[in-house]
Amino acid sequence: DTGVSQNPRHKITKRGQNVTFRCDPISEHNRLYWYRQTLGQGPEFLTYFQNEAQLEKSRLLSDRFSAERPKGSFSTLEIQRTEQGDSAMYLCASSLVDSTEETQYFGPGTRLLVL
Amino acid sequence: AQKITQTQPGMFVQEKEAVTLDCTYDTSDPSYGLFWYKQPSSGEMIFLIYQGSYDQQNATEGRYSLNFQKARKSANLVISASQLGDSAMYFCAMRGAYTGGFKTIFGAGTRLFVKA
Repeated sequence: DTGVSQNPRHKITKRGQNVTFRCDPISEHNRLYWYRQTLGQGPEFLTYFQNEAQLEKSRLLSDRFSAERPKGSFSTLEIQRTEQGDSAMYLCASSLVDSTEETQYFGPGTRLLVL
Repeated sequence: AQKITQTQPGMFVQEKEAVTLDCTYDTSDPSYGLFWYKQPSSGEMIFLIYQGSYDQQNATEGRYSLNFQKARKSANLVISASQLGDSAMYFCAMRGAYTGGFKTIFGAGTRLFVKA
């Protein structure tokens, strides 16, 4: 295991369709984060999990967004009824909670384009 | 509220020279961590360096060093001996130990161009 992986890397969809992204964290990491990044901006926090528990959700995460981490390993982020404003890079990161600095390591991201 | 400010949208540096990327932050947390990430055009965020608020010495990682001035609330990244492969976006980030939960907030980034 060399790092965080995300699938798919790119997704083009039509407005109104549902999409689901997957994130596989570094295997021993117990925290998993989702971020959204739009062009020219830094990543914005969406939600995070500690093991399988979703502990915090940003106000950016509307009711159309749902995230799960069913067994405390991989996570999925689903967007229902996509809108053009959802077009962005969706980044996943994982970390080990018992390290002092708790550095987050990021995956390559899923780039979403909603037409 | 926590905030990260990167005032340089773009920076140019000659290959083999050093460059400083600015970052200022605002937090009321007594304990916090500061991070720098590099994002090449491929999109992945690459962790570069970490500085804890109680660390007495400035962090260093190879060609990267963090100029931490706590009283000024600044955490500038210094890249020595720039290489063409250093051309990328650079993000400063912070996580507070108490406020803001465990999420990390990022600045808007600085795009670095290394000239041959």
